[in-house]
Amino acid sequence: QKEVEQDPGPLSVPEGAIVSLNCTYSNSAFQYFMWYRQYSRKGPELLMYTYSSGNKEDGRFTAQVDKSSKYISLFIRDSQPSDSATYLCAMMSNSGYALNFGKGTSLLVTP
Amino acid sequence: DSGVTQTPKHLITATGQRVTLRCSPRSGDLSVYWYQQSLDQGLQFLIQYYNGEERAKGNILERFSAQQFPDLHSELNLSSLELGDSALYFCASSQGEGGYNEQFFGPGTRLTVL
Repeated sequence: QKEVEQDPGPLSVPEGAIVSLNCTYSNSAFQYFMWYRQYSRKGPELLMYTYSSGNKEDGRFTAQVDKSSKYISLFIRDSQPSDSATYLCAMMSNSGYALNFGKGTSLLVTP
Repeated sequence: DSGVTQTPKHLITATGQRVTLRCSPRSGDLSVYWYQQSLDQGLQFLIQYYNGEERAKGNILERFSAQQFPDLHSELNLSSLELGDSALYFCASSQGEGGYNEQFFGPGTRLTVL
């Protein structure tokens, strides 16, 4: 079993919908939680960064971490066709040396 | 544009061959990370260098090696290539040493082994 699990989708939603993307993990030592967005044929880019638990909001994006359930979420409000991409969660422990990535969820927002 | 450059963009080669992938980090970044991305495994960390020194190693095969030069660019060498090595190879860079620092990814090199 991989340390980080993520449903690959694809997830298709109409423009304007609220999107919920999720990851579960097994390593309770993870403290750093990130969401990366990857457009087709491009490298991943950091979207949201959270340390430990709690929520973080940035514009239309909200990241949530529930360490008791080992579950993280990314919410996208008022989704746009330009949000169509693959979203990768990534996490790491304080004593770790590298990010552990989920396999990514493919999102398509249709006009 | 992340500021990280990778060459070549595409590479097609045969089994048993050796290739070298090159990465130039963002100006001022001392850490370079190499990742392999495939459909079945996702994004897998291979190795990290910080200011010329190896800092962390992931599931990198013995047939693969890397180095970071004094000008901070890095090269990933893949030898005795197998069909299963076909993947996207990304380089990322960050200012700090820890993997938790924001990493900026290059556009990747797509390797096809025939």
